Amino acid sequence: AQSVTQPDIHITVSEGASLELRCNYSYGATPYLFWYVQSPGQGLQLLLKYFSGDTLVQGIKGFEAEFKRSQSSFNLRKPSVHWSDAAEYFCAVALSYSGAGSYQLTFGKGTKLSVIP
Amino acid sequence: NAGVTQTPKFQVLKTGQSMTLQCAQDMNHEYMSWYRQDPGMGLRLIHYSVGAGITDQGEVPNGYNVSRSTTEDFPLRLLSAAPSQTSVYFCASTLSLGYQETQYFGPGTRLLVL
Repeated sequence: AQSVTQPDIHITVSEGASLELRCNYSYGATPYLFWYVQSPGQGLQLLLKYFSGDTLVQGIKGFEAEFKRSQSSFNLRKPSVHWSDAAEYFCAVALSYSGAGSYQLTFGKGTKLSVIP
Repeated sequence: NAGVTQTPKFQVLKTGQSMTLQCAQDMNHEYMSWYRQDPGMGLRLIHYSVGAGITDQGEVPNGYNVSRSTTEDFPLRLLSAAPSQTSVYFCASTLSLGYQETQYFGPGTRLLVL
């Protein structure tokens, strides 16, 4: 079965510092990968997604992620963190069901980001 | 468009009570799903629907029922609530069954079962 691992439960960075959130997946086929952000008390918002093509994906709010097949990773990066980036971040993999052609998301357990002013 | 809406925002139940969590979307999306979010567990899929009249189980379906009589609505029913069902519930929808479609999430329903 597919799985998604986010090794860091909680990360704290200073405002203006660079950020990298790690995500590793276990999936036999070509993965479809997503990063979502959840602010406190809110629903999930899609930051970016990777389906194919260029392995460096640009998202909203200045985030980017790089797909590395050899490392089974899809790490999220931002060059300069803002205080408003404090939230919880979820990596997800889409699993396809060949019969119906639909897909379901398997989520990692999340990484909580704290930002020091 | 209002997007994906969920009601209620908060609910407290006693063990054994029943209730329905409502989810609606006005984007004419075919695919809808329910997730539960628990601390340290991420989101786990409960049930999903690929269109009106079609539903199927996800990773953690026990204790929950769903139906999809219209494209817009996808209610989640708890027939006999248990403390283990205390969680935050998210509904999501997507336009089609293709991999490139984005899932849109509702704001969530916080449920406490005493």
